Amino acid sequence: KQEVTQIPAALSVPEGENLVLNCSFTDSAIYNLQWFRQDPGKGLTSLLLIQSSQREQTSGRLNASLDKSSGRSTLYIAASQPGDSATYLCAVSPGDNTDKLIFGTGTRLQVFP
Amino acid sequence: KAGVTQTPRYLIKTRGQQVTLSCSPISGHRSVSWYQQTPGQGLQFLFEYFSETQRNKGNFPGRFSGRQFSNSRSEMNVSTLELGDSALYLCASSLVGLAGTNEQFFGPGTRLTVL
Repeated sequence: KQEVTQIPAALSVPEGENLVLNCSFTDSAIYNLQWFRQDPGKGLTSLLLIQSSQREQTSGRLNASLDKSSGRSTLYIAASQPGDSATYLCAVSPGDNTDKLIFGTGTRLQVFP
Repeated sequence: KAGVTQTPRYLIKTRGQQVTLSCSPISGHRSVSWYQQTPGQGLQFLFEYFSETQRNKGNFPGRFSGRQFSNSRSEMNVSTLELGDSALYLCASSLVGLAGTNEQFFGPGTRLTVL
């Protein structure tokens, strides 16, 4: 059974810092991995999607990497801003004939001025 | 292009009642999935529909059901509500078949409170 874990559970940093969020999964047989952010009480916003054959994806100040063999992904946020404060979730898709996502526990990020 | 929409946004029900939630996917998206989010259990997969067929189902009791219409809009129904059904229900859609990406786009959710 696929399990997804995110470390740390919470993070508080001053504005301007570069930071790394970690995601690990127990079964390397994944189709893709997706990173989301969620603001309190809101839906999920897709940040990056990495196909199983890819090693990384970049969007602006965000960079996500994937090491399928070791069951790990990292989300790197450069030059953090207070607007980055949110919960970050990673999710894996287990197969190529389903859109089912298995979510991690999330990392709650607070960036203070 | 409009995003995923969900109605209603907020709902208050009492135990024993039933509820129907609605989800309209992004135009052209044919796959719709439903998730339940609670503080204790996090985000859990309910079910997934593609071309009006349930393609996958999570580990929830039969009180939770869904369907998809020919225009890809989807509804989920919860019968005989229990206090533990209080949650944020999220719907996601994807454009199946486009380079196999199946990137998921989520709606704002329906906040269900069961009293």
